[in-house]
Amino acid sequence: QSALTQPPSASGSPGQSVTISCTGTSSDVGGYNYVSWYQQHPGKAPKLIIFDVTKRPSGVPDRFSGSKSGNTASLTVSGLQAEDEADYYCSSYAGSNNFVFGTGTKVTVL
Amino acid sequence: QVQLQESGPGLVKPSETLSLTCTVSGVSISSYYWSWIRQPAGKGLEWIGRIYTSGNTNYNPSLKSRVTMSVNTSKNQFSLKLSSVTAADTAVYFCASSTAWGVAIHWGQGTLVTVSS
Repeated sequence: QSALTQPPSASGSPGQSVTISCTGTSSDVGGYNYVSWYQQHPGKAPKLIIFDVTKRPSGVPDRFSGSKSGNTASLTVSGLQAEDEADYYCSSYAGSNNFVFGTGTKVTVL
Repeated sequence: QVQLQESGPGLVKPSETLSLTCTVSGVSISSYYWSWIRQPAGKGLEWIGRIYTSGNTNYNPSLKSRVTMSVNTSKNQFSLKLSSVTAADTAVYFCASSTAWGVAIHWGQGTLVTVSS
């Protein structure tokens, strides 16, 4: 199984929105509504921010939203804040009890 | 409050077996699937595998021949063994609670394992 493809970097000014893509295949992203997104600050463990494509865990601001179209899932961060600067990873169920992560995207708040 | 803590040697020699344990507190180990995920320095996350309290396991096909996971319900712990390690296995290893569909909800802080002679 190959890693899901994410852009290496994305950026935006405070208050703006940034959208990160996560491209897979019909065997993973496109085949199931089980895409998750994680935020990781340097030296820290990842934190779950979106699951099941669009759902937010309790405590995650509604500035974070997820969507999916075909084999590509997306994470949008609206109203960018300084603390949103981090690495973001998508993950998907890949069938046969396998799971795959994305390549990761570094978000910079300008 | 769910907490996970990885423990084990930080240095393993090439060709030997990496062994890590994750201690879970704040929740019964029967409540979730339990996963191992690793991250080489400066690189992305890689799913290693998961175990349920029944003992059922699922492993990343690329690592399957070298991975063994086990669970100790009496100690609220689960473990990872990775055999025949090479420098490519040097990474921060995270343990995590996860759902049936792979959502990693709670994470340990991670532990760095270096493979070197």
